[in-house]
Amino acid sequence: NAGVTQTPKFQVLKTGQSMTLQCAQDMNHEYMSWYRQDPGMGLRLIHYSVGAGITDQGEVPNGYNVSRSTTEDFPLRLLSAAPSQTSVYFCASSYSRGRDYEQYFGPGTRLTVT
Amino acid sequence: LAKTTQPISMDSYEGQEVNITCSHNNIATNDYITWYQQFPSQGPRFIIQGYKTKVTNEVASLFIPADRKSSTLSLPRVSLSDTAVYYCLVGAGNNRKLIWGLGTSLAVNP
Repeated sequence: NAGVTQTPKFQVLKTGQSMTLQCAQDMNHEYMSWYRQDPGMGLRLIHYSVGAGITDQGEVPNGYNVSRSTTEDFPLRLLSAAPSQTSVYFCASSYSRGRDYEQYFGPGTRLTVT
Repeated sequence: LAKTTQPISMDSYEGQEVNITCSHNNIATNDYITWYQQFPSQGPRFIIQGYKTKVTNEVASLFIPADRKSSTLSLPRVSLSDTAVYYCLVGAGNNRKLIWGLGTSLAVNP
């Protein structure tokens, strides 16, 4: 299994540009989520999904959109990038019941918005 | 939501046992305690999870006293490769309610 994969690894955007961060998992996990990690702060939940077709907002959803058309993929869209969205983004997946405390994280995408 | 408190940083030497304590005074009855490890430029990795008493796996042990207001992650005989940030999280198995603090930055010296 490849686990959780994320692309790209690095990205530089100009303010106002849009882009999509890709996330895929091959473990047939129902639950997927997006976090951002900033210096001096813990991971913060952006959006999550408990299954295909179902998404919901986390702690810091503004400026981001998600969709979940398949179990495997959970892309994160930045609609109009802002410097405040400079961060490292992690995608994670887990089972939705039972062992859902055990999240599997991707390698992260380091995004810089100028 | 249960908040956790852990030391910001710790230092150790190769071969020593390291104990990282996490305080969670307002833990709820159905909350579990979960620890993750994060290396630089990588995503966090699940280490261990427990509810009460002691849990041991191939990587670490987790000690939880009867009142469950704290927990201790024990890493036996650490090596340089154990240098990482360790996060303690408390929650009822619902990922969206877990609070990630700053974790404990462990430095293992030769």
